[in-house]
Amino acid sequence: ETGVTQTPRHLVMGMTNKKSLKCEQHLGHNAMYWYKQSAKKPLELMFVYNFKEQTENNSVPSRFSPECPNSSHLFLHLHTLQPEDSALYLCASSLRLAGEGYEQYFGPGTRLTVT
Amino acid sequence: GQNIDQPTEMTATEGAIVQINCTYQTSGFNGLFWYQQHAGEAPTFLSYNVLDGLEEKGRFSSFLSRSKGYSYLLLKELQMKDSASYLCAVMDSNYQLIWGAGTKLIIKP
Repeated sequence: ETGVTQTPRHLVMGMTNKKSLKCEQHLGHNAMYWYKQSAKKPLELMFVYNFKEQTENNSVPSRFSPECPNSSHLFLHLHTLQPEDSALYLCASSLRLAGEGYEQYFGPGTRLTVT
Repeated sequence: GQNIDQPTEMTATEGAIVQINCTYQTSGFNGLFWYQQHAGEAPTFLSYNVLDGLEEKGRFSSFLSRSKGYSYLLLKELQMKDSASYLCAVMDSNYQLIWGAGTKLIIKP
């Protein structure tokens, strides 16, 4: 039973739409992450938040906009996406941001299809 | 650049043993993780190695050689439910996780 939930689980959107992905963690963790997972490719780290502050933005296009209102919630706002943005978007959390052995706990992901 | 290599796909028989290898080249090293990901599900943590040697956890063991930039995940007494992708990830000197593309393990009866 995962302590990280994501909604929606599936999303189909047109290139002109605006939508948001939601992540919530019930583990009391302080760091949260957004990843993109495409078929047969490594997980791509998109954004990192530590105690609600963004600490990492790995050259992600501005059509992806993160929001972290508190340590338990993370959003990814999407607008004017491209078909190549179709992928599984995973949210994760960890007790601490940096340090050895702090494994990340993942949500089930949102399967996004851009038409 | 930073790189994690692992085989794309492996096949094994139920009840047997399989070893999934992972080699890495990263800027610094602060530990290596193995995750399991069933199709359509979240990755789940399996093991963490930061010192050389073998860590055993039930049917799963993970080995690390830092001098060789090498790790393996050993799965014993394979069960059908072990069919999944296995992801290797290394924490670099900036405590960022660098991920491999994953190894899809297929278990046959």
